[in-house]
Amino acid sequence: QQPVQSPQAVILREGEDAVINCSSSKALYSVHWYRQKHGEAPVFLMILLKGGEQKGHEKISASFNEKKQQSSLYLTASQLSYSGTYFCGTGNGGATNKLIFGTGTLLAVQP
Amino acid sequence: KAGVTQTPRYLIKTRGQQVTLSCSPISGHRSVSWYQQTPGQGLQFLFEYFSETQRNKGNFPGRFSGRQFSNSRSEMNVSTLELGDSALYLCASSFLPGSSYNEQFFGPGTRLTVL
Repeated sequence: QQPVQSPQAVILREGEDAVINCSSSKALYSVHWYRQKHGEAPVFLMILLKGGEQKGHEKISASFNEKKQQSSLYLTASQLSYSGTYFCGTGNGGATNKLIFGTGTLLAVQP
Repeated sequence: KAGVTQTPRYLIKTRGQQVTLSCSPISGHRSVSWYQQTPGQGLQFLFEYFSETQRNKGNFPGRFSGRQFSNSRSEMNVSTLELGDSALYLCASSFLPGSSYNEQFFGPGTRLTVL
């Protein structure tokens, strides 16, 4: 039931791009993306909803493919501050905040 | 606006003891969810509260319980602590329940170590 994220880890140089994928075995109603730095709280990045609505961080883009039950997070022109572990959380569309979080992707941006 | 606050930030307990963790949501937020984070299992949903009512519960034993007060502050309690309960316990608040539309904002967490 836990969404699977890929890759598990990625190392980038500043300015490079990365894509993080989140795949679910269940139908997706909403996908929430968070970034967590070591020892800190997860920080909200973006919500993607079934039907195409999105809201979140201006400099981050993402996609939501209902048929493939997959979401992808696109990090372009990466900065050092992008380093951290990225999590996707899937919602079931009901009146609940319960999220099922993915396995996480560790992103390291080097100078 | 102040963010989500959790107290205490760090806690060390021994097996068999019980512990209470506290979470104060962002002002105006009425929904609080709790998650357990461990290296092996990742982020796992514990429970969700709105208007002092538990709306949802994860797959955790009955030793894990929680409550929400009229001011939206929430506490979770773990009784008869086990070594496997060592984890970072995160609280998240949002304005309303309903994951489809609401951002959830996490607190810094309480790091619980059970010896």
